[in-house]
Amino acid sequence: DAGVTQSPTHLIKTRGQHVTLRCSPISGHKSVSWYQQVLGQGPQFIFQYYEKEERGRGNFPDRFSARQFPNYSSELNVNALLLGDSALYLCASSFDRGLAGYTFGSGTRLTVV
Amino acid sequence: RKEVEQDPGPFNVPEGATVAFNCTYSNSASQSFFWYRQDCRKEPKLLMSVYSSGNEDGRFTAQLNRASQYISLLIRDSKLSDSATYLCVVTGGGYNKLIFGAGTRLAVHP
Repeated sequence: DAGVTQSPTHLIKTRGQHVTLRCSPISGHKSVSWYQQVLGQGPQFIFQYYEKEERGRGNFPDRFSARQFPNYSSELNVNALLLGDSALYLCASSFDRGLAGYTFGSGTRLTVV
Repeated sequence: RKEVEQDPGPFNVPEGATVAFNCTYSNSASQSFFWYRQDCRKEPKLLMSVYSSGNEDGRFTAQLNRASQYISLLIRDSKLSDSATYLCVVTGGGYNKLIFGAGTRLAVHP
């Protein structure tokens, strides 16, 4: 079985541009969450989706948005990129509401120049 | 105050050593607790869940003290392959988002 898959693996963007990151959860998993990890820190929660509805949002500006599709895959969109958005973006999926933990994808490393 | 606080690292230990990581959390309503391991430039991977009764998985032992809001991880007989960053994680919110500590880096040397 495939794990959580994310695309692209690496991305370089210019300030002010827009980016879309994609995630496919483990088959059967209905919960998808997005996290941002900057160097030297633990991952920070951005969004959580369960059964295609937004269930939680972290302390991130409105430039960040996401959605979950009927097949439970998800997209994270970031508009008007800033240098500080450079980070590893992680997607995690869970079968239930996360009580048993989440499985992470290998992430998308975004560099904003 | 951070929601999850961990020992600052790094921990540099020889092979065979026993090392302990400590963690405190601020939200008494947290329901689930985990230790994740993260290798350099890789994704976090679930090492083990943590229960109030304590739980052991081979050389790894985790403990949870809900009254003190304290979590620990003990690694016995350290191996070179244990070198990684260890992340203390609690859940929060109605849909159990993960709240991570900053992580403690472990370096095991020959």
